[in-house]
Amino acid sequence: NAGVMQNPRHLVRRRGQEARLRCSPMKGHSHVYWYRQLPEEGLKFMVYLQKENIIDESGMPKERFSAEFPKEGPSILRIQQVVRGDSAAYFCASSPPGALQETQYFGPGTRLLVL
Amino acid sequence: GDSVTQMEGPVTLSEEAFLTINCTYTATGYPSLFWYVQYPGEGLQLLLKATKADDKGSNKGFEATYRKETTSFHLEKGSVQVSDSAVYFCAPLDTGRRALTFGSGTRLQVQP
Repeated sequence: NAGVMQNPRHLVRRRGQEARLRCSPMKGHSHVYWYRQLPEEGLKFMVYLQKENIIDESGMPKERFSAEFPKEGPSILRIQQVVRGDSAAYFCASSPPGALQETQYFGPGTRLLVL
Repeated sequence: GDSVTQMEGPVTLSEEAFLTINCTYTATGYPSLFWYVQYPGEGLQLLLKATKADDKGSNKGFEATYRKETTSFHLEKGSVQVSDSAVYFCAPLDTGRRALTFGSGTRLQVQP
């Protein structure tokens, strides 16, 4: 069973460009979470999604950031008009429905560098 | 909201030494508790978990016990190996929001 997959693993953008980060959850998982890790820090929760629904986006910046998890295809975290402060590692996690949904399994992350 | 306090690193040990990484948390209610490990350049791997008071999570020689009275979840291992060198994160799960709260992590360096 393949784990959580994220791509690209590394992404370089210039200020003002858009960044699109993709996450494919583990097979059978219907819950997706996005976290951001700044250098030398822990991860910070951004958003929790189920298929076609945003459940909790309390950790998302109000502007420039958006997330979706469509019925078909991966979850997408989109950052518009990137700034240098967006440089970080972005991790996606997934969990299954039902009683086991508490455990979140993480992908390898996308490391975004804004020049 | 929830918060986590972990001992600051780096923690430097010799191979086969005993390891303790302290973790205390504040949370509303009774969260599930997790330890994750992050190797250089990689994502987080689940190390162990405990879902209720007095539960002991264990995996690969690591153990941690859910102490409700002291709101702690200290990580221990009897004999560390060089391959255990990594950053360790303690994280309570806000079961209402399903959001993990991470501290800044503790870097462990094991020397041969």
